[in-house]
Amino acid sequence: SQQGEEDPQALSIQEGENATMNCSYKTSINNLQWYRQNSGRGLVHLILIRSNEREKHSGRLRVTLDTSKKSSSLLITASRAADTASYFCATVPIYNQGGKLIFGQGTELSVKP
Amino acid sequence: KAGVTQTPRYLIKTRGQQVTLSCSPISGHRSVSWYQQTPGQGLQFLFEYFSETQRNKGNFPGRFSGRQFSNSRSEMNVSTLELGDSALYLCASSASGTGPSEGYTFGSGTRLTVV
Repeated sequence: SQQGEEDPQALSIQEGENATMNCSYKTSINNLQWYRQNSGRGLVHLILIRSNEREKHSGRLRVTLDTSKKSSSLLITASRAADTASYFCATVPIYNQGGKLIFGQGTELSVKP
Repeated sequence: KAGVTQTPRYLIKTRGQQVTLSCSPISGHRSVSWYQQTPGQGLQFLFEYFSETQRNKGNFPGRFSGRQFSNSRSEMNVSTLELGDSALYLCASSASGTGPSEGYTFGSGTRLTVV
């Protein structure tokens, strides 16, 4: 399968704690993106990190990228109940002919109040 | 500005029928991609259109087809429906002409159930 892998598959934490999700992928990439999905609805773009970047921040989100290990992590700090959702990493292959995102299997995050 | 609009939101069809799903991208976006999401296979790329041309296609049978109109609206069609086609179909738009250098904006999806 071309799809990457995410771990853990499910994560349950208390409000205020940090949540870390990991993603591994198989091909050389142009960039890697993280998306959130609430209850089987549409995906919401969270953050994009390019292959020549190692770390990026956006609000309570911190993303790292290690191209030598073909892996990325998403850290959500001071989590809230509203962060409960599924989180997907998606890669844009370096050979991309147009518009193709390769998604991981996702991490289901549950934040308990 | 308006987001990506997918219609209909829900659809129930019988095996053997065909179905057409519609997607209106964000105004000014010329790239539209389609994805199928199922519990077993996850999110899989179907195809991508840019300026009415299919630029990329995933590994789906020929029963799955699409097109894009001059106003960038896109439709996808599935003929001879099978039970396994039951899924959430997501459309995404991007302004980029050479593949996304920014994130995609997704619609809320069409939930297709085949009975």
